[in-house]
Amino acid sequence: AQSVAQPEDQVNVAEGNPLTVKCTYSVSGNPYLFWYVQYPNRGLQFLLKYITGDNLVKGSYGFEAEFNKSQTSFHLKKPSALVSDSALYFCAVRLKTGANNLFFGTGTRLTVIP
Amino acid sequence: GAVVSQHPSWVICKSGTSVKIECRSLDFQATTMFWYRQFPKQSLMLMATSNEGSKATYEQGVEKDKFLINHASLTLSTLTVTSAHPEDSSFYICSARPTTSSYNEQFFGPGTRLTVL
Repeated sequence: AQSVAQPEDQVNVAEGNPLTVKCTYSVSGNPYLFWYVQYPNRGLQFLLKYITGDNLVKGSYGFEAEFNKSQTSFHLKKPSALVSDSALYFCAVRLKTGANNLFFGTGTRLTVIP
Repeated sequence: GAVVSQHPSWVICKSGTSVKIECRSLDFQATTMFWYRQFPKQSLMLMATSNEGSKATYEQGVEKDKFLINHASLTLSTLTVTSAHPEDSSFYICSARPTTSSYNEQFFGPGTRLTVL
C-alpha cells in the first residue's frame, strides 16, 4: 500500500527565517514526488516535483525540496519565509508504473508570522 | 498554460436535488481527469478516475450511482451529485492530466464548494 505522511499539522515560522515542511512516504516501488500549495477555498497549485536526477529540486516561489531515498523523505524548504507563504501544503506521490493517481499527505498548515 | 477551470465555484442546493459540476481543461487536452473530495482540514481523497470515452473508475467506498461522472470530450468532465444530502457537502476538486504529459502530471481546478441544506 502507498502512503504519505506529513508529521506536522501546523508549522509556524517567523518572516525571514528558513522554513521546512516535512514529508515521508512509503511506496512499493520508485515514486514521483510532488508538492502542492492550497490557499483558502482554492484548488491546489503545483510547486515542484521530483522525477529523477538531482535530488535537490527547485520550484515556484523560491521553494525547493530534497529527495532522500534512504530516508524516504521529500521535505519542502525555503531559505527565507514570507507572510504570503502562509497556506496549506500537501505532499503527494505517484508510482512510476501502475496506478496513475496521486496519493496525498494530510497537509501541513504553514503560518508565517510577521 | 495548463489551466483547469471548474464551474460553479460554489453551489448551495436543497436536499434531494442533483448538482452538476464541470471540469474543463482550457488549453490542453486531457484523456484522464480525476475527481477529489476534500473535507474541512483534511486531505484530498480520490473519488474516481475519469477517462474520455469510457466509464469512470471509482475508488472503494464511492457510490457510482450517486456520483455520476461523464467524460464526453478531451476537455470536459462532469460530476453529478444525485439526490444530494447534507453529508455530501464538501469541497470537490478536479484535476486533469495532459494527454501529452511525459510524467503524468496533474493540473488542478480551483474547486467547487457544495453546500446541501
